[in-house]
Amino acid sequence: AQSVTQLGSHVSVSEGALVLLRCNYSSSVPPYLFWYVQYPNQGLQLLLKYTSAATLVKGINGFEAEFKKSETSFHLTKPSAHMSDAAEYFCAVKPGGSQGNLIFGKGTKLSVKP
Amino acid sequence: NAGVMQNPRHLVRRRGQEARLRCSPMKGHSHVYWYRQLPEEGLKFMVYLQKENIIDESGMPKERFSAEFPKEGPSILRIQQVVRGDSAAYFCASSPTFGTSGEGDTQYFGPGTRLTVL
Repeated sequence: AQSVTQLGSHVSVSEGALVLLRCNYSSSVPPYLFWYVQYPNQGLQLLLKYTSAATLVKGINGFEAEFKKSETSFHLTKPSAHMSDAAEYFCAVKPGGSQGNLIFGKGTKLSVKP
Repeated sequence: NAGVMQNPRHLVRRRGQEARLRCSPMKGHSHVYWYRQLPEEGLKFMVYLQKENIIDESGMPKERFSAEFPKEGPSILRIQQVVRGDSAAYFCASSPTFGTSGEGDTQYFGPGTRLTVL
């Protein structure tokens, strides 16, 4: 069965510091991978996606993620955190490609200290 | 292009009442997905629909829950005889048909309906 594990339910960084949010997946077929961000009391906004093209994917707001098949990982990074990055981040996998449901991790809440 | 619309945004029901949640997909999208988010949990898939068809309902509870996506109008998630455990945020997402400008693999989410059962 496909699954997603996000290490660390809470991550705290200082403004200007590196952001690293971890995501590992399990999938028996080449997956599509996604990162979404959720601000309080709002829906999910797509940050970036991997769909079997380039392994380093750039998204919105300066975020990027690298697909590493050997490590079954898709970690999200941003070189310099901004206060506005404080939110909850969800990694998701869509096994088997195009249509079909997403399987989400439990999320990581990012706090940014001034 | 308006995003995915959900209403109501907040819904309060007493135990035993019915809850109806509505979702209007983005223009041109014919695929709708419903997810449920419990506190401190990620989103859990419930059901996947295309116009007039249920494609995958493997995440739906066997009783009290139903969903539809008629030819005209929004998709409806219906919960009969609600219980306190149904309190959650319910999110709808939509996507276009795969192959449509390369975006068929991406789901766009609405703002959610937060259901509180008293």
